[in-house]
Amino acid sequence: DTGVSQNPRHKITKRGQNVTFRCDPISEHNRLYWYRQTLGQGPEFLTYFQNEAQLEKSRLLSDRFSAERPKGSFSTLEIQRTEQGDSAMYLCASSLDVGGNSPLHFGNGTRLTVT
Amino acid sequence: GESVGLHLPTLSVQEGDNSIINCAYSNSASDYFIWYKQESGKGPQFIIDIRSNMDKRQGQRVTVLLNKTVKHLSLQIAATQPGDSAVYFCAENPSAGGTSYGKLTFGQGTILTVHP
Repeated sequence: DTGVSQNPRHKITKRGQNVTFRCDPISEHNRLYWYRQTLGQGPEFLTYFQNEAQLEKSRLLSDRFSAERPKGSFSTLEIQRTEQGDSAMYLCASSLDVGGNSPLHFGNGTRLTVT
Repeated sequence: GESVGLHLPTLSVQEGDNSIINCAYSNSASDYFIWYKQESGKGPQFIIDIRSNMDKRQGQRVTVLLNKTVKHLSLQIAATQPGDSAVYFCAENPSAGGTSYGKLTFGQGTILTVHP
């Protein structure tokens, strides 16, 4: 499978715990994105990497959230001191840099449940 | 604030019919639009995109129409099949260029149900 891969698929954690998700983009894609989706809503943009550089961060990304892409390949999203409001599907996407907009290809997400 | 929205939250059609899913946007600065299909438990799947310098684009069984005058986007699916049943999202890129590529704003989605 050469699509975007996300792990784990599901994560249940207790409030206050830290969690980390991983995303492996399509190999030739140098742009990587994190989105969050709650039930019945469309995905919301969180952050964007061009290679290893984090270029955009949404105000939705509080200081408890941190994303990295250290070598410009896979990315991790960490949430510290989780809250029940963090429960959502976290989606990763990647795209090819064509000098403009190009389609984002999404993974199947990590569903986080904070109890 | 400015947003992308959908007129119809649900659409039910018979197999073989053509489906039309509509989307309204309000940001005249948007220059890139994209449609996604999302099945239960999966991430959004790219269907088709269109740039603001076009008003129509066709793919396999799908056509996207863009009317910039009334800020309206539609997705037409020909000969709809049960496998087309899913939630369909339109999305826009509200910022032109630079570091905002891929910073999509999604609508709330339309549920398409295709009956055999």
